Amino acid sequence: GAGVSQSPRYKVTKRGQDVALRCDPISGHVSLYWYRQALGQGPEFLTYFNYEAQQDKSGLPNDRFSAERPEGSISTLTIQRTEQRDSAMYRCASSLGLAGGFDTGELFFGEGSRLTVL
Amino acid sequence: GIQVEQSPPDLILQEGANSTLRCNFSDSVNNLQWFHQNPWGQLINLFYIPSGTKQNGRLSATTVATERYSLLYISSSQTTDSGVYFCAGPHNNDMRFGAGTRLTVKP
Repeated sequence: GAGVSQSPRYKVTKRGQDVALRCDPISGHVSLYWYRQALGQGPEFLTYFNYEAQQDKSGLPNDRFSAERPEGSISTLTIQRTEQRDSAMYRCASSLGLAGGFDTGELFFGEGSRLTVL
Repeated sequence: GIQVEQSPPDLILQEGANSTLRCNFSDSVNNLQWFHQNPWGQLINLFYIPSGTKQNGRLSATTVATERYSLLYISSSQTTDSGVYFCAGPHNNDMRFGAGTRLTVKP
């Protein structure tokens, strides 16, 4: 697509429910990143994929969080048994190559999915 | 990992004024990005700049990689410049963000 697309834009759920957040990167971008942003703070790295391979998941807070990108395009971030502290903006970004790379590492973000856990 | 510090944390300007935002890195960087988060929460790309200076209209950015800092200049500020400005630097193969500078431009 023309830009990074995320859905849903807003999600309200009850504590204990599972949620799935979807990200469709820019066409042709091989790297895909998930970030979480709390109110008043900068985006915090969660995990990233190069093609379909999850290269780094060191930022995932605990084992309730998981992500996949099975065909190297669309990615899903899943949060199981949600807790109130999971409430945040979840942002997806993609880049042509690995982030920070000389010509191809510029990150482009989607509009985010705002999660509220009641 | 790399630490990113931004200053000032908050800045209030009158429309038409100029400003300089700073980003310091704990380690040398080979590339960094500046973003503007507008009041609707969108992250807008401003600059992707390894070193030297880039300009885009009223905005320009200068990175001195050897001294581990970057500056974002906003000239003749407008109310639409309000929002939060983030810089991000590479850490392994992802980007790490600072806490941002919140800019308010008053009419």
